[in-house]
Amino acid sequence: QQQVKQSPQSLIVQKGGIPIINCAYENTAFDYFPWYQQFPGKGPALLIAIRPDVSEKKEGRFTISFNKSAKQFSLHIMDSQPGDSATYFCAASMYNQGGKLIFGQGTELSVKP
Amino acid sequence: GAVVSQHPSRVICKSGTSVKIECRSLDFQATTMFWYRQFPKKSLMLMATSNEGSKATYEQGVEKDKFLINHASLTLSTLTVTSAHPEDSSFYICSASGDREPYEQYFGPGTRLTVT
Repeated sequence: QQQVKQSPQSLIVQKGGIPIINCAYENTAFDYFPWYQQFPGKGPALLIAIRPDVSEKKEGRFTISFNKSAKQFSLHIMDSQPGDSATYFCAASMYNQGGKLIFGQGTELSVKP
Repeated sequence: GAVVSQHPSRVICKSGTSVKIECRSLDFQATTMFWYRQFPKKSLMLMATSNEGSKATYEQGVEKDKFLINHASLTLSTLTVTSAHPEDSSFYICSASGDREPYEQYFGPGTRLTVT
């Protein structure tokens, strides 16, 4: 019940395309859903995050869509660029567990020029 | 803002020795710090959570006597891998969160440990 399932495992898109990465969770007590971007050999960087009282959030080219009833959320990257090629992790946490993050399995994104 | 540093970025040590990794929050006070381990092409595995001035809380299966965590100040946490063995070779990453936005974790750049 603590798991966060992420798909796909890998994704290849052309420059300008809109890659979509999906995550699903079981525990309805989760109340914070961030997305992280990680380049090889580096630590993850917080991209964007959403709370369950909001169905969509945009920051620049990144958009999170959140479906509370389906217990799913997804990341869309608009006008993707080769520089967006990285591994993306979704995560979930709950306040009463001290903000401990449960990570998805990761998606390796490759944006072809 | 919200910068977290780690030192060293890479370390090679001989089997049986101990190695210390430092994690610092540079521009905020980190009330909670987390230590993760990551294998190649895998997700981050939480090892332990530490609050300043308290003992760390270890995840199930993580040996607390092998991975010593200290969080002595609001800007510094250390992870010491004791009596390291080749199977401890991994990428270790810390993260920190503060009081103002306790949910938001900011990650360090990671430390690549190789045990020979």
